[in-house]
Amino acid sequence: KNEVEQSPQNLTAQEGEFITINCSYSVGISALHWLQQHPGGGIVSLFMLSSGKKKHGRLIATINIQEKHSSLHITASHPRDSAVYICAVKTSGSRLTFGEGTQLTVNP
Amino acid sequence: GAVVSQHPSWVICKSGTSVKIECRSLDFQATTMFWYRQFPKQSLMLMATSNEGSKATYEQGVEKDKFLINHASLTLSTLTVTSAHPEDSSFYICSARVMTGGYEQYFGPGTRLTVT
Repeated sequence: KNEVEQSPQNLTAQEGEFITINCSYSVGISALHWLQQHPGGGIVSLFMLSSGKKKHGRLIATINIQEKHSSLHITASHPRDSAVYICAVKTSGSRLTFGEGTQLTVNP
Repeated sequence: GAVVSQHPSWVICKSGTSVKIECRSLDFQATTMFWYRQFPKQSLMLMATSNEGSKATYEQGVEKDKFLINHASLTLSTLTVTSAHPEDSSFYICSARVMTGGYEQYFGPGTRLTVT
C-alpha cells in the first residue's frame, strides 16, 4: 500500500462543475503539498498545508490531520484546469512522498 | 511566488555523451535543492538532495558517479548525466526549498532528456 493515495486516478468533468480530489496518507507528516502538472511537465505548487484550509482563487485545499486526509476542490471548473494534480506529504527531514496523481480533464 | 528555472527545457543527446542541467532559484536563496526524475505516467522519484557547499545525498539505487550534482551557490544547482544511455531518457525536475521561514518547496519546469 502506498503511503500516499489519491482518488480518483482519472476525473472527467464538464466546464463549470465543482471538482474534488482526495488524498489520504498513512504516515505522520509535517506538511502536505498540492501540485499541478500540465502537459509538457512543468509543476506548479498550489498549496502547502499543515492544518485547516487555504483558498486561492477558485481553488480550495483542506486537511484533516486526525483523519490523515486532504482534499483539493476546484469551483467553476474550466478547461484550462485540465492537468495532473499531485498530493505530496512532507515526512521526515526534507523528503516529500508523492501520490500517483489525478488526471483531470475538463471539457468545454 | 518564488520562481525556479531550469535550463535547458529539453535536450537530445547521443549515447555516451554527458549532459548538464541547471537549476536556479531566481528570487530567493535555497540552501537545499532536490532533483527528481519522472518517467511517463509515473510520479516523481527523488534522486538526490543537495545542500549548498556540501556533497549531495543520493537515494538508494541512484548512481552518484553517473548523476553528478553540484550545488555551488545558494541559487544554483547542476545535475550532470554522464555517459548517457537511452534508459536515462526521462523528465528531470529540480526543486528548491526556501531558506527562511517555513519549508516551502518550489519546483522548476523540468528538463526533458532524450538519449539516442
